[in-house]
Amino acid sequence: EVQLVESGGDLVQPGGSLRLSCGASGFTFNTYWMHWVRQAPGKGLVWVSRINTDGSSTTYADSVKGRFTISRDNARNTLYLQMNSLTAEDTAVYYCARGAVGATPFHYWGQGTLVTVSS
Amino acid sequence: EIVLTQSPGTLSLSPGERATLYCRASQSVLSNYLAWYQQKAGQAPRLLIYGASSRTTGIPDRFSGSGSGTDFTLTISRLEPEDFAVYYCQQYGSSPRTFGQGTKVEIK
Repeated sequence: EVQLVESGGDLVQPGGSLRLSCGASGFTFNTYWMHWVRQAPGKGLVWVSRINTDGSSTTYADSVKGRFTISRDNARNTLYLQMNSLTAEDTAVYYCARGAVGATPFHYWGQGTLVTVSS
Repeated sequence: EIVLTQSPGTLSLSPGERATLYCRASQSVLSNYLAWYQQKAGQAPRLLIYGASSRTTGIPDRFSGSGSGTDFTLTISRLEPEDFAVYYCQQYGSSPRTFGQGTKVEIK
């Protein structure tokens, strides 16, 4: 059974940093592209970032480019999102989602982890 | 960036009725790489439809998708109580992979 479990969400002050993790199991992690998607309270889904199978290629939404870094550790079956210079607009539930190589939808999602940016 | 506009924002219907949800793209969606997701309160999204019209394994056949190019439709033939939720379309053919703003299907 495919499982994605996010962790690391917390209350952080504006300007602060946080690292999210997403543990994967039930599939061959190093053969899938992985994504982060966020959802602000009461709002819609927004794609954040994507990483390819070996971590050599990444893409970001304009809103997080230069502040967030996606990475992965295939030996640990874990996806990461390093978030720096956080603002209130980054407050959201962050989901990791499994894609595949190339253009594919997100068949599997984690349960999400809440990041709150507030003083 | 491809902008997806969903309509209506809210659909108020009764169980057993037919629901028709629309998703319009600001430019043609590559190879009709258009997906529909269902999200219930407090839960992660669930993939219903991909490739505009292919149902994911385990999704009931009352859910169907259609369309091509810039105009897509999700139809729920007869609403069951568990179908009342928010539905999002997503294009995954171009980067960034954008979502529509969602359509809420609520009980009338």
